[in-house]
Amino acid sequence: ILNVEQSPQSLHVQEGDSTNFTCSFPSSNFYALHWYRWETAKSPEALFVMTLNGDEKKKGRISATLNTKEGYSYLYIKGSQPEDSATYLCASYNTDKLIFGTGTRLQVFP
Amino acid sequence: NAGVTQTPKFQVLKTGQSMTLQCAQDMNHEYMSWYRQDPGMGLRLIHYSVGAGITDQGEVPNGYNVSRSTTEDFPLRLLSAAPSQTSVYFCASSFSLRYTEAFFGQGTRLTVV
Repeated sequence: ILNVEQSPQSLHVQEGDSTNFTCSFPSSNFYALHWYRWETAKSPEALFVMTLNGDEKKKGRISATLNTKEGYSYLYIKGSQPEDSATYLCASYNTDKLIFGTGTRLQVFP
Repeated sequence: NAGVTQTPKFQVLKTGQSMTLQCAQDMNHEYMSWYRQDPGMGLRLIHYSVGAGITDQGEVPNGYNVSRSTTEDFPLRLLSAAPSQTSVYFCASSFSLRYTEAFFGQGTRLTVV
């Protein structure tokens, strides 16, 4: 079973701050890396699916990078807003299994 | 489109009872899976299916059975509920996890007393 790790576990930032989180995953037999946003009392919703080394994806103020050779991905949020408060999950896809990390809980204070 | 539909949303069971959590998707996705969410442990994969008639175990399969007789449906059966199975359960489906995202149902909160 894959070991997907995320750091930090939680993060508190002020509105307007930029922030980033890390996802580490096994680099062998890599297929894809997923990022999801999970608001309290809702279901996880996809942000990005990344497959190639060096991939960079962007959606509004959120972007992500991927390094498959060393087994890590970064998620960046530029100019955090209170509505960005959520848990951010990464997941590694390998041999038919999508395995999640435990997430980074972000709280943005006005 | 309804997407991924889970029923029920809430359930209380007594220890030893059995029940089935239902999951249906209308997106013609081949891949379906079940996760459980426990505090501090994120989402853990219980069972998954890559197509009708094919199922396999995930990270935490003990105490659960699944079947996939149609593309649309992927029920999760608890054979003899235990308090350790108190959790929130999510069903997810995808066209291809290698290239596209998973879509999640709204979750089932199960309490075993």
